[in-house]
Amino acid sequence: NAGVTQTPKFQVLKTGQSMTLQCAQDMNHNSMYWYRQDPGMGLRLIYYSASEGTTDKGEVPNGYNVSRLNKREFSLRLESAAPSQTSVYFCASRGVINSNQPQHFGDGTRLSIL
Amino acid sequence: KNEVEQSPQNLTAQEGEFITINCSYSVGISALHWLQQHPGGGIVSLFMLSSGKKKHGRLIATINIQEKHSSLHITASHPRDSAVYICAVILNLWTLNYGGSQGNLIFGKGTKLSVKP
Repeated sequence: NAGVTQTPKFQVLKTGQSMTLQCAQDMNHNSMYWYRQDPGMGLRLIYYSASEGTTDKGEVPNGYNVSRLNKREFSLRLESAAPSQTSVYFCASRGVINSNQPQHFGDGTRLSIL
Repeated sequence: KNEVEQSPQNLTAQEGEFITINCSYSVGISALHWLQQHPGGGIVSLFMLSSGKKKHGRLIATINIQEKHSSLHITASHPRDSAVYICAVILNLWTLNYGGSQGNLIFGKGTKLSVKP
């Protein structure tokens, strides 16, 4: 049971470089999420997708773009990385967005921007 | 804005002690989620509850909707319980429709638990 799979697990970038974080879930979930986790801040929502074909901004969307490629996959793109984007990024999925179903998380991507 | 507050932020206990982590919230919710994050690891779901109490092994979670408060208890704590415990609330539709946060969930900042042998 893979659950939510994120790639890569670690990445170091230089300021101004771009990259895409990949996320896939095999639980047939409708909603998917991208969070960042910084010390002392807790998890903050970057973007989410309530269903295939829709995406919406979360609390901290600036500097990021997302693509809900299909029901399984939800990618996060940094077009021009900045040191402030150094963080641990988590992808998550849930059956239905407005429900009491638990959220399932990937293992995270540790991203450092030099 | 701190719509979900956890206490304590850090907790050190001796093996075998009874541990309580608290979560208070100020918004309307439909359910509350307790999560566990081990050092360097991912985040796993422990409980989802909307009323009363749930138990799984040595872990017990309770919620009081009227008081907007939940607790996570660990009985007979063990060093392998050392982790960050995160409380997350699922907003109800009324809160979402009247200015609630996007994405439906709000997370506390976590409680870092260290259990010494």
